Amino acid sequence: DTGVSQDPRHKITKRGQNVTFRCDPISEHNRLYWYRQTLGQGPEFLTYFQNEAQLEKSRLLSDRFSAERPKGSFSTLEIQRTEQGDSAMYLCASSFSGTSYNEQFFGPGTRLTVL
Amino acid sequence: KQEVTQIPAALSVPEGENLVLNCSFTDSAIYNLQWFRQDPGKGLTSLLLIQSSQREQTSGRLNASLDKSSGRSTLYIAASQPGDSATYLCAVQGDKLIFGTGTRLQVFP
Repeated sequence: DTGVSQDPRHKITKRGQNVTFRCDPISEHNRLYWYRQTLGQGPEFLTYFQNEAQLEKSRLLSDRFSAERPKGSFSTLEIQRTEQGDSAMYLCASSFSGTSYNEQFFGPGTRLTVL
Repeated sequence: KQEVTQIPAALSVPEGENLVLNCSFTDSAIYNLQWFRQDPGKGLTSLLLIQSSQREQTSGRLNASLDKSSGRSTLYIAASQPGDSATYLCAVQGDKLIFGTGTRLQVFP
């Protein structure tokens, strides 16, 4: 399967713990995006990378959140000192910016529950 | 600031009906508009992408139109089926996607 993959699919953690999520984009895609979706809402943009460079970060991405994309391949999203308000679905998407489409393809998401 | 609104928020219809889902956005300076489907607890599946220079796109029973000047897009679903039950999201694209809150569709037999 050559789609976007995310790991883990589900994560339950206690408040105050650190968690890390991984996203593997479609192999030829140079852009990688992170979004967060809470129940009943549309996804909200967090950050995106073009190759290994992080080009934009949303104000939603507090200093407890950090994202990396070493070598421009997979990406990790870490949340430190988790809070109950961090409970959400974290979605990753990738695209190729070399066309006018820049169509984004999404992974299955990681559902985070903070107890 | 771009804002995206979808109407209706929820829709319940009998099988076979033709449906219209609406999406409106406040800033017409967009590159593309994408329609997605999301099943409960799952990721997003891209249905259609309309470039800003295009007026519509079709895929099977789905047709999406775009009117940039009025800030509107419409997703038309022909001959709805129970398998179409899902949440439908529209998103406008600059460098990132800005989503509406979705239309939750239920098609009953």
